[in-house]
Amino acid sequence: NAGVTQTPKFQVLKTGQSMTLQCAQDMNHEYMSWYRQDPGMGLRLIHYSVGAGITDQGEVPNGYNVSRSTTEDFPLRLLSAAPSQTSVYFCASSPLLAGTTGELFFGEGSRLTVL
Amino acid sequence: AQSVTQPDIHITVSEGASLELRCNYSYGATPYLFWYVQSPGQGLQLLLKYFSGDTLVQGIKGFEAEFKRSQSSFNLRKPSVHWSDAAEYFCAVGERGSYIPTFGRGTSLIVHP
Repeated sequence: NAGVTQTPKFQVLKTGQSMTLQCAQDMNHEYMSWYRQDPGMGLRLIHYSVGAGITDQGEVPNGYNVSRSTTEDFPLRLLSAAPSQTSVYFCASSPLLAGTTGELFFGEGSRLTVL
Repeated sequence: AQSVTQPDIHITVSEGASLELRCNYSYGATPYLFWYVQSPGQGLQLLLKYFSGDTLVQGIKGFEAEFKRSQSSFNLRKPSVHWSDAAEYFCAVGERGSYIPTFGRGTSLIVHP
């Protein structure tokens, strides 16, 4: 019962470096999304996808790229890391219920520090 | 667009005491409503959800919530809190026809022995 798996759990980067946060789910969910969580800010949506080949921007997309080549995987790329991207990142997936909001299944998070 | 307000940033209760966490939403039609819990260092886990029907919803870990349309509220309750309930709690609302729920900023629950 893997559910949503995120790697790595911890990462330290220097300003300007790039990296990819991996997210995989084994529940055949069509909807996948990335959030960042910062103190006092709650969860903010970065990017989301409703199926392979389809992605869209959320509330805070700048500085991040995503792609969805398969149903299972939804990697998040930081192109040139900045200290403002220091955060905890969560991947979440959901089965689409007649095209509307369903329960989200979350990964355990990836804690990123940018120096 | 919908919005969610959790008025309490922190709540402190004694173990064994009752608990109520508040959630108010803004949405024109009947929403989908969720409560999630986040234990320290973990991802979010669904506690309960309301889609339609009975307005009193039972969830996991002994939690329940009541949808009150007239007050635009979906408060979370537990009759007797355990030390293991210390966590961050998030209320979320979804609208019909949208894939994306809106989250409140969370309420941190502290449990004193």
